[in-house]
Amino acid sequence: DAGVIQSPRHEVTEMGQEVTLRCKPISGHDYLFWYRQTMMRGLELLIYFNNNVPIDDSGMPEDRFSAKMPNASFSTLKIQPSEPRDSAVYFCASSLGPQGTDTQYFGPGTRLTVL
Amino acid sequence: GQNIDQPTEMTATEGAIVQINCTYQTSGFNGLFWYQQHAGEAPTFLSYNVLDGLEEKGRFSSFLSRSKGYSYLLLKELQMKDSASYLCAVSKTGKSTFGDGTTLTVKP
Repeated sequence: DAGVIQSPRHEVTEMGQEVTLRCKPISGHDYLFWYRQTMMRGLELLIYFNNNVPIDDSGMPEDRFSAKMPNASFSTLKIQPSEPRDSAVYFCASSLGPQGTDTQYFGPGTRLTVL
Repeated sequence: GQNIDQPTEMTATEGAIVQINCTYQTSGFNGLFWYQQHAGEAPTFLSYNVLDGLEEKGRFSSFLSRSKGYSYLLLKELQMKDSASYLCAVSKTGKSTFGDGTTLTVKP
């Protein structure tokens, strides 16, 4: 298996622009997670899905952030409008079982810079 | 909530043994994960402890005491490639919370 795939790997945009991050989980994994990592706040869970359904989005910082999972092999995280404080590395991860009991496999991440 | 504490940085010598501690306070607990993250890369799974005691996996071992809210990761026969950040993650039903990580530097 190719592992979790994320695109783009790097994104530089200007404040106010819309940003869409993409993720393809490992085939057969029922859980998909979106994380954000910064030096100041560490690794934070934003939202996770089980069988394409959002289960917990309490980590989503504000209404500018939205995530979808239209099918088992694809998810997006959208920021609209983007702000400089959104600059971070965004990781997607997937697992066979719930986060509390099963290993998560992380994608390579998308490094987002908002100018 | 979950308060997770790890040392920010540690330094050790190649070939030595190092112990990275993690303490936590949580209202519910399923288990504790350790992940390794090299600079500029994604976290990768090292270990998962549910029951009290020591789990050994090659050069790496992880210990858990549920009653004390305490875990450690033990790295033996350190190699230069072990220089990385080590994240402990406390899990309760459905979600995990990560500590800020311990940056380990291995020197020759």
